[in-house]
Amino acid sequence: GAVVSQHPSWVICKSGTSVKIECRSLDFQATTMFWYRQFPKQSLMLMATSNEGSKATYEQGVEKDKFLINHASLTLSTLTVTSAHPEDSSFYICSVTSTDTQYFGPGTRLTVL
Amino acid sequence: AQKITQTQPGMFVQEKEAVTLDCTYDTSDPSYGLFWYKQPSSGEMIFLIYQGSYDQQNATEGRYSLNFQKARKSANLVISASQLGDSAMYFCAMREGPPGTYKYIFGTGTRLKVLA
Repeated sequence: GAVVSQHPSWVICKSGTSVKIECRSLDFQATTMFWYRQFPKQSLMLMATSNEGSKATYEQGVEKDKFLINHASLTLSTLTVTSAHPEDSSFYICSVTSTDTQYFGPGTRLTVL
Repeated sequence: AQKITQTQPGMFVQEKEAVTLDCTYDTSDPSYGLFWYKQPSSGEMIFLIYQGSYDQQNATEGRYSLNFQKARKSANLVISASQLGDSAMYFCAMREGPPGTYKYIFGTGTRLKVLA
């Protein structure tokens, strides 16, 4: 299956700062990547679909100006949480699809103080 | 309405026994895919098994098998010969929509605890 990495694996930041999370597809060229958010003891919620070379598609209720997604190459998508607040603290996971299967990165745990 | 339903928030199983984790789904798409993922405490999502809606036979991957009952819209995961390392959260997921616009929907998960 596809190998997906995320960086950083965890980050702690002050309220009001911006945080960038990278998602890399290491062995597969991904025209589409997905970004999910998972709150403690809850399921994964799709935030947006990242499309290489074009604008991301955001799910209803997700602020595109707050969660900036850039998919500049076939192996890299970035999610920037702008002006982060404590309620943005969560586990952020990206994924790529290869044939019929979705493969996930290891996730990034964001804590906003 | 929930598209993926996992009715068991938590399950216990004795080591070496088999366990079934329930999953029902709801879709009007003729073509869809069903997945099971394992999420240990580390947080990573580990792909376990996939079943396509047109697949005639139930999917199997080692100790994992998917009991696909299309008419009932159920896709239960069966883990045989449970091991202590199987203790984790398990998520059922469905892929729907045409290629290029796939959407993946996850259930609320079942926490499995394997007892020694």
